[in-house]
Amino acid sequence: GNSVTQMEGPVTLSEEAFLTINCTYTATGYPSLFWYVQYPGEGLQLLLKATKADDKGSNKGFEATYRKETTSFHLEKGSVQVSDSAVYFCALSSGNTGNQFYFGTGTSLTVIP
Amino acid sequence: DGGITQSPKYLFRKEGQNVTLSCEQNLNHDAMYWYRQDPGQGLRLIYYSQIVNDFQKGDIAEGYSVSREKKESFPLTVTSAQKNPTAFYLCASSPQHASTDTQYFGPGTRLTVL
Repeated sequence: GNSVTQMEGPVTLSEEAFLTINCTYTATGYPSLFWYVQYPGEGLQLLLKATKADDKGSNKGFEATYRKETTSFHLEKGSVQVSDSAVYFCALSSGNTGNQFYFGTGTSLTVIP
Repeated sequence: DGGITQSPKYLFRKEGQNVTLSCEQNLNHDAMYWYRQDPGQGLRLIYYSQIVNDFQKGDIAEGYSVSREKKESFPLTVTSAQKNPTAFYLCASSPQHASTDTQYFGPGTRLTVL
């Protein structure tokens, strides 16, 4: 079946620290992979995506590389800011089930000045 | 501005009542989705619709119903049969139902059962 396993939180970092949030997946077919961000009381916003192996998605200083050999899509940022404090969700869309998304449980990030 | 709107933002329901959550999009997307989010958990799919007048059950459809009479609208009814309806409900849409399509989310409706 399809599933996403995400790094447990919460994560607390100092401003300008390096961020990694781990995400691994199990999927049938050829999934697309996504990272979404959710701010308190709001819906999810797309952060980045990759649709095939070895693709790198990037946006606002965040990056993630689609690694088929390790079934991973880890989120990284070189220098976090207070404004990056939010909950981050990894998700996959499996080619075998159309566009049905499977989400991880989310990782809460707090960045302190 | 194109986007997805959900109303109301907060909704309170007494036990035994049905309530309907609104979701409207002006992105001209074919596919629409409803998810439920509980604290500390990921999103779980309730229903989805690929085209007008067609919809499919997701992983947790029991106690919910939907309709898709217009392309831009996908209302969700939470019935009295849903045992634990207090949650944050998110509507999403995507251009089609292809696996590479991004899903775009509305701001959500928080439902509380009193």
